[in-house]
Amino acid sequence: GAVVSQHPSRVICKSGTSVKIECRSLDFQATTMFWYRQFPKQSLMLMATSNEGSKATYEQGVEKDKFLINHASLTLSTLTVTSAHPEDSSFYICSASQGGPYEQYFGPGTRLTVT
Amino acid sequence: SQQGEEDPQALSIQEGENATMNCSYKTSINNLQWYRQNSGRGLVHLILIRSNEREKHSGRLRVTLDTSKKSSSLLITASRAADTASYFCATDHPRYGGSQGNLIFGKGTKLSVKP
Repeated sequence: GAVVSQHPSRVICKSGTSVKIECRSLDFQATTMFWYRQFPKQSLMLMATSNEGSKATYEQGVEKDKFLINHASLTLSTLTVTSAHPEDSSFYICSASQGGPYEQYFGPGTRLTVT
Repeated sequence: SQQGEEDPQALSIQEGENATMNCSYKTSINNLQWYRQNSGRGLVHLILIRSNEREKHSGRLRVTLDTSKKSSSLLITASRAADTASYFCATDHPRYGGSQGNLIFGKGTKLSVKP
């Protein structure tokens, strides 16, 4: 149980295009989903927190107009990187939680490369 | 700024030896968690220790927490080559007081276990 999937696992896109990454909780309802990014050999940095049906809360320094997050259902959250640039190339990881003190379950990550 | 800081940054040991990784944090916490990450993959939750606990065991893992020193340690006994991975500590986000499960990750320790 407690499986979180991400799609796609890898994506290469051209600079200026937009890319959508999906995060799904497969066997539980995730009231809260989190999006992280991880640069090579570095730690995970929280980008935003989203609760189902409400606007995401972004961390300081994360542009909400560039990283669009939608959490329309209890099993799906999407992150859209708009007008991607090479510096957006990173490993994006989502996690899902039933909220509160419950454990977060992490997806396998999406490797984004912007050329 | 990072909440969690692990040391050492890298650790190389022989199979069968014990591996100890430390984590220090800055603010008060509700709980502290340890995760492992294989190269280019998502995170796997290892163990959670609450602020009122001092020690916790799970299989070959032993975690200690010293809230007075704001530090934790992860001990892996009788290490195996398959334990080779990066290990991260994570604490609940001070901004939300842990109510939403937001996590702040340390920089991680890269463990290499040689057969």
